[in-house]
Amino acid sequence: DAKTTQPPSMDCAEGRAANLPCNHSTISGNEYVYWYRQIHSQGPQYIIHGLKNNETNEMASLIITEDRKSSTLILPHATLRDTAVYYCIVRSFKAAGNKLTFGGGTRVLVKP
Amino acid sequence: DTGVSQNPRHKITKRGQNVTFRCDPISEHNRLYWYRQTLGQGPEFLTYFQNEAQLEKSRLLSDRFSAERPKGSFSTLEIQRTEQGDSAMYLCASSAGQGGFGGEKLFFGSGTQLSVL
Repeated sequence: DAKTTQPPSMDCAEGRAANLPCNHSTISGNEYVYWYRQIHSQGPQYIIHGLKNNETNEMASLIITEDRKSSTLILPHATLRDTAVYYCIVRSFKAAGNKLTFGGGTRVLVKP
Repeated sequence: DTGVSQNPRHKITKRGQNVTFRCDPISEHNRLYWYRQTLGQGPEFLTYFQNEAQLEKSRLLSDRFSAERPKGSFSTLEIQRTEQGDSAMYLCASSAGQGGFGGEKLFFGSGTQLSVL
């Protein structure tokens, strides 16, 4: 699976949009972009995924660049409960031995 | 949907003892994964089941580790002769994957925190 690069940490203000970048310049055509987050003392939680189109759900929006080499997760109105480590993962949908491979993630602190 | 359940939540053991963790996936989820997470790191893949078949094991899973999923329902992860380096959070996840992996969503439990003294 392709490797991803994320900033190790970022702060954002409560009520404002949080934009989390992810670089995946070696992504291949059969790989999806996934985002998970992990709140302290809990297991990771699925947020959203996409292949090449932008996606939106009740939690977030995912913007993937046209060349697919980077993406941005947008939390439209960050709350204190969004404080967590956010993982950007690329994963093939057809490789044998398929698995989610987590990197270091971005530690997001939402401040009042 | 009651979520993925893991027991116990915490386990303290002495070096050399055997420990067993249990994972109950979401009902009718046919895929089950085990991950391990140490402090400050992302989760690391250990092994994966499709129904009762164990289809992949990481090299992290030494011969002291064994996982089972009898009848394709709950799963157990056993560590024999525990070492201090085994101290970690052990996470279980399940998914309702059918066929390919495109768009598969994993649902994680809260994990079992193991401390080896």
